[in-house]
Amino acid sequence: NAGVTQTPKFQVLKTGQSMTLQCAQDMNHEYMSWYRQDPGMGLRLIHYSVGAGITDQGEVPNGYNVSRSTTEDFPLRLLSAAPSQTSVYFCASSYSGQGQGEQYFGPGTRLTVT
Amino acid sequence: GQSLEQPSEVTAVEGAIVQINCTYQTSGFYGLSWYQQHDGGAPTFLSYNGLDGLEETGRFSSFLSRSDSYGYLLLQELQMKDSASYFCAVFMNRDDKIIFGKGTRLHILP
Repeated sequence: NAGVTQTPKFQVLKTGQSMTLQCAQDMNHEYMSWYRQDPGMGLRLIHYSVGAGITDQGEVPNGYNVSRSTTEDFPLRLLSAAPSQTSVYFCASSYSGQGQGEQYFGPGTRLTVT
Repeated sequence: GQSLEQPSEVTAVEGAIVQINCTYQTSGFYGLSWYQQHDGGAPTFLSYNGLDGLEETGRFSSFLSRSDSYGYLLLQELQMKDSASYFCAVFMNRDDKIIFGKGTRLHILP
């Protein structure tokens, strides 16, 4: 099993550009989520999904879109990149949100917006 | 709003025991998890408490008191490789969100 994979590992964007961060898992997990991590801010939830076809907003959803057409994939789209979106982005998955506790994280995407 | 409070930094000596506390205020609560993150790496799962009491996994233990909205992670026989950031996370059953604290940086002195 590859676990949770994320691409790309690094990305530099100019302000106003759009892009999609890819996330895939091969563990048949129902629950997937996206976090951003900034120094001193911990991990902040952007969007999450409890299953294919279902998505919901987290703590900091503005400027980001997600979709969940399959159980395996959960891409994150930046609509019009801003310098404030410079961060490290982590995708995570778990068997289900309820009570499982253990989320598996991807290696992260380091995004810089200039 | 939701909040998880944990100390920003803790320092301990190699071989000693250290406790990292986490207090939470959330709309709905299902369980408390702990994660470890080394610099440049991804968070990795350490433990989970769904019920009150102590859970032990090797050198690491975690405790939960639902009535006090409080938990802690206990690390015993500290090793230099335990130098990392530690995050508590709450699963909120009201809306299925999992949110994280800001993390505690653990420094270990030889």
